[in-house]
Amino acid sequence: EVQLVESGGGLVQPGGSLRLSCAASGFTFSSYWMHWVRQAPGKGLVWVSRINSDGSSTSYADSAKGRFTISRDNAKNTLYLQMNSLRAEDTAVYYCARDYGGNEWAFDIWGQGTMVTVSS
Amino acid sequence: QSVLTQPPSVSAAPGQKVTISCSGSSSNIGNNYVSWYQHLPGTAPKLLIYDNNKRPSGIPDRFSGSKSGTSATLGITGLQTGDEADYYCGTWDSSLSVYVFGTGTKVTVL
Repeated sequence: EVQLVESGGGLVQPGGSLRLSCAASGFTFSSYWMHWVRQAPGKGLVWVSRINSDGSSTSYADSAKGRFTISRDNAKNTLYLQMNSLRAEDTAVYYCARDYGGNEWAFDIWGQGTMVTVSS
Repeated sequence: QSVLTQPPSVSAAPGQKVTISCSGSSSNIGNNYVSWYQHLPGTAPKLLIYDNNKRPSGIPDRFSGSKSGTSATLGITGLQTGDEADYYCGTWDSSLSVYVFGTGTKVTVL
C-alpha cells in the first residue's frame, strides 16, 4: 500500500525548533519530488516547500524561507522539515505529499498530517 | 490570502449536481494546469483531478474538471452524503513562483 506517515509534531514555544518526518512506503520514494503543505486551524491549504527526487533542489513559500529546511534521506525513505524560529502563525497541521510527476505540480498521495502548535 | 477564489460553500440534494468555480489570473490558471482536491478535516486530502480534467485511478467519473481562460470548474454529479467535504483547486503561479491553493469550498449535501 502506498503510504505517507508524518510524525514529529507537538507543542513548541515561540522561537523554538521542531523537525517533522514523513515516512514513505509502497512506492519508489527516490523517484518522486515531495512537498510539505500546511493548514492552520480554520484556514485553507497552503503549500510550504518542495524537494526534488535526489534532494539537490528545494524551494519554499515566502513564509518558510530562511526558517524552514526541507530535506530527504532516500536510503531511509523519509522526508524531513526542519522548522526553526517558530512563530504562532506557524501553528497548523503539516502534511507531506507526493508529487505525481506529471506535467506540473499536483499532489497525488498525502499523509494524515501532524499537528504543530506554537504557543507559550 | 489566496490568489485563487472559490465560493465558500455550495449545496444540493442527494443525486443532484454541484459545480465549484475557481477564479484566478493569467499568472496561474490562465497558463498552468489545475488540480482539485477533496479534504475531510482530520484526514489526508485526496487528489480528484489533475491536468485540468484528468482523474487519477479510483476516482469515479462523477467528478469532472474543466478550464476556460483564467477560471476552472469542478463538477460533482450524483451527489452523495460521502461527498460532504472541503474542496480546493490548486495550480502553479508563475509570478509568485509558488504553488497556490484556492480559498476552499465546503460542499453540503442537503
